[in-house]
Amino acid sequence: GESVGLHLPTLSVQEGDNSIINCAYSNSASDYFIWYKQESGKGPQFIIDIRSNMDKRQGQRVTVLLNKTVKHLSLQIAATQPGDSAVYFCAEATGFQKLVFGTGTRLLVSP
Amino acid sequence: NAGVMQNPRHLVRRRGQEARLRCSPMKGHSHVYWYRQLPEEGLKFMVYLQKENIIDESGMPKERFSAEFPKEGPSILRIQQVVRGDSAAYFCASSPPPGTVSYEQYFGPGTRLTVT
Repeated sequence: GESVGLHLPTLSVQEGDNSIINCAYSNSASDYFIWYKQESGKGPQFIIDIRSNMDKRQGQRVTVLLNKTVKHLSLQIAATQPGDSAVYFCAEATGFQKLVFGTGTRLLVSP
Repeated sequence: NAGVMQNPRHLVRRRGQEARLRCSPMKGHSHVYWYRQLPEEGLKFMVYLQKENIIDESGMPKERFSAEFPKEGPSILRIQQVVRGDSAAYFCASSPPPGTVSYEQYFGPGTRLTVT
């Protein structure tokens, strides 16, 4: 079956550093990719999304990059803050369909 | 504008009992998705529903699990004769109808089911 996976299960950074969280996907038919942030005991919170016809999208302090050639997705967080500490999931979808989630990367931000 | 609401937030059931999890989508959303999450794992898709219609139930176990989204009222995920392996967090998400710009699914806070 199709799958979405992450390279790094845990990422530790210092406050103020830039963070990069990576994700590999295998379904070349996916046309929509999303990054979610999940804090302990809470539901996933939307961060940013990108369509397959784009290769970069920026939000507030976050940037998502999509490389369809190597089926790679990344989330960049600028000036990481302690409040950014959470588990980050990438997810993919095809059309108006179910999301396929990766296993997650835990981001730990030290003050 | 209230977000996706789920209740109960925590549910404890003994083996063999039934569990009913409720989800009220965001206002204006006609699509509901259910996902299950085990500790330290990603969310796994279970079922996708519109009002009075199951669109995709490819992630639902063949037995004991059922879901509905009636014309009136919340979506219900029902687990009959629960077993310890059913212990997990169950998340509901809702999204706008097809034809809108975003596919974004908005998640509720989840129901944490513990089977003793």
